[in-house]
Amino acid sequence: KAGVTQTPRYLIKTRGQQVTLSCSPISGHRSVSWYQQTPGQGLQFLFEYFSETQRNKGNFPGRFSGRQFSNSRSEMNVSTLELGDSALYLCASSKRQANTGELFFGEGSRLTVL
Amino acid sequence: GQQVMQIPQYQHVQEGEDFTTYCNSSTTLSNIQWYKQRPGGHPVFLIQLVKSGEVKKQKRLTFQFGEAKKNSSLHITATQTTDVGTYFCAGRSYGGSQGNLIFGKGTKLSVKP
Repeated sequence: KAGVTQTPRYLIKTRGQQVTLSCSPISGHRSVSWYQQTPGQGLQFLFEYFSETQRNKGNFPGRFSGRQFSNSRSEMNVSTLELGDSALYLCASSKRQANTGELFFGEGSRLTVL
Repeated sequence: GQQVMQIPQYQHVQEGEDFTTYCNSSTTLSNIQWYKQRPGGHPVFLIQLVKSGEVKKQKRLTFQFGEAKKNSSLHITATQTTDVGTYFCAGRSYGGSQGNLIFGKGTKLSVKP
């Protein structure tokens, strides 16, 4: 069974640009959550999608957005990038809504903003 | 808002020594999970605790959930070099926005052979 797949794995952007990250969950998983991981702040919840609807949202500015498609694949977008957006972005999938079971994480997309 | 505090931030042990990390929540939790992240890797689920006072064991790992469901601990007996990594607790609160999973900042364990 394939795991959670995130693309791209690494990317470098400059301030002001925008970026789109992709996540393909484990087959049959309908929930996708996104987390930002930085050395100083740890894992911070961005948002969760379930059946194409955003179910929960963390405390991030509106520059961070996401969506989920009918096949459960999800994308997150960060517009007007800032230096502080440099981080590892982790996607996690689960069978049901993320408040009921374990999360399966992908390898992450490491974003560097110059 | 809900906060999950985890201590210590770092722990260096000699191989064979025991290790414990503690997790405390500002609110009562419906459940708590533990994850391990190896260096350069991604978090991997270890266990979920749901009941007040629950204790679960996985070989050398012992997980506890406090009676008040506001704290938890992970204890590793006789550490091995394969235990190296960062251990995160993640708690869900009751009600609210259906319980976002809030992660502690993790305890980074290093093991000297």
